[in-house]
Amino acid sequence: DGGITQSPKYLFRKEGQNVTLSCEQNLNHDAMYWYRQDPGQGLRLIYYSQIVNDFQKGDIAEGYSVSREKKESFPLTVTSAQKNPTAFYLCASSMGSGGANTGELFFGEGSRLTVL
Amino acid sequence: QKEVEQNSGPLSVPEGAIASLNCTYSDRGSQSFFWYRQYSGKSPELIMFIYSNGDKEDGRFTAQLNKASQYVSLLIRDSQPSDSATYLCAVNSERNYGQNFVFGPGTRLSVLP
Repeated sequence: DGGITQSPKYLFRKEGQNVTLSCEQNLNHDAMYWYRQDPGQGLRLIYYSQIVNDFQKGDIAEGYSVSREKKESFPLTVTSAQKNPTAFYLCASSMGSGGANTGELFFGEGSRLTVL
Repeated sequence: QKEVEQNSGPLSVPEGAIASLNCTYSDRGSQSFFWYRQYSGKSPELIMFIYSNGDKEDGRFTAQLNKASQYVSLLIRDSQPSDSATYLCAVNSERNYGQNFVFGPGTRLSVLP
């Protein structure tokens, strides 16, 4: 079955530690995204990547880093510079619009990060 | 400044009624519009998408788009308790070589048995 796999589902981090959230997709999508969601709020874009070896900062990139070495993978590192990292992190991918493509985002199941 | 606005709710409707969810957006270059449903603690799932002005129906769901008014809505007919969730409006405009989705804060819907 095609889809997006995020791991781990739950993660606890001590202050000052870097952590990396994994995101893998087998949908053959070019574009991948990382969003952050805080309780009762919408999704805010952290980083996105349209093609391999290229990525762009979103609205709240400070304290985060990403890489896109393979089309299927887009890991997110939450660094110690991120002051308030406790949140629900969502990875998404899309093929793009045009033709038969709807341009919709497909989401992984999310990773919940808690800083102790 | 790109913005998508929604009433945060909660919007409460009795079972069997019509739920009406509204969304306004500021970017006139927006081209496609999506409604996602998100259950508590889960990831969003696509309910409807719409590109053209007018109505689009899919089962109990109808999406309505008015680009002149920069307004998109979702109607849920015969609401069920299982429809209780947060509904996210997302607006997409293509910039340069890619897409840029902007999400509203979501409207929490509660369908009362």
